[in-house]
Amino acid sequence: DAGVTQSPTHLIKTRGQQVTLRCSPKSGHDTVSWYQQALGQGPQFIFQYYEEEERQRGNFPDRFSGHQFPNYSSELNVNALLLGDSALYLCASSFGSDTDTQYFGPGTRLTVL
Amino acid sequence: GQNIDQPTEMTATEGAIVQINCTYQTSGFNGLFWYQQHAGEAPTFLSYNVLDGLEEKGRFSSFLSRSKGYSYLLLKELQMKDSASYLCAVKEAGNMLTFGGGTRLMVKP
Repeated sequence: DAGVTQSPTHLIKTRGQQVTLRCSPKSGHDTVSWYQQALGQGPQFIFQYYEEEERQRGNFPDRFSGHQFPNYSSELNVNALLLGDSALYLCASSFGSDTDTQYFGPGTRLTVL
Repeated sequence: GQNIDQPTEMTATEGAIVQINCTYQTSGFNGLFWYQQHAGEAPTFLSYNVLDGLEEKGRFSSFLSRSKGYSYLLLKELQMKDSASYLCAVKEAGNMLTFGGGTRLMVKP
């Protein structure tokens, strides 16, 4: 049973560029949430996708956008990268209900120079 | 707004017991989660509490008091591999997890 997978593992970009990160949920899960984790801090919720729609969004600017595909996989896009966007980006999957446990992928380490 | 507090760092000795506290003030409450995160790795699920009381799972136990906005994670028979960050997270209305800053636990021989 495959767990949550993310790609790429590491990524280096320069300011102003755009980046796309990818996530495949755990088998049987239909909901994908994205989190940003700065070094030494707890993860911060970006948004969540369910049935190919953004269901909930945290306090992140419109530069952060996403998509969910019919097979439940998801992408996170960040435009006009800033130095402060350097972080570990975590994807978590769950099954539908509001109280279901979220399981995290290994993350993508993004460095913006 | 929401606020979740936990100690930044703790140190304990191999074989001992350690208790990591978490206090929260959130606009909604739909359960409290504890995750373990080793450096550079993904958080892994440890426990979930939605009702008051103690949940025991092997060497790890988690307690919740909703009236006090308080939880703790208890780790028994500490092992070196338990050195990690421990994240307390509250699920508010909807499906969003709000995390504390994490507690970095160092287990010494």
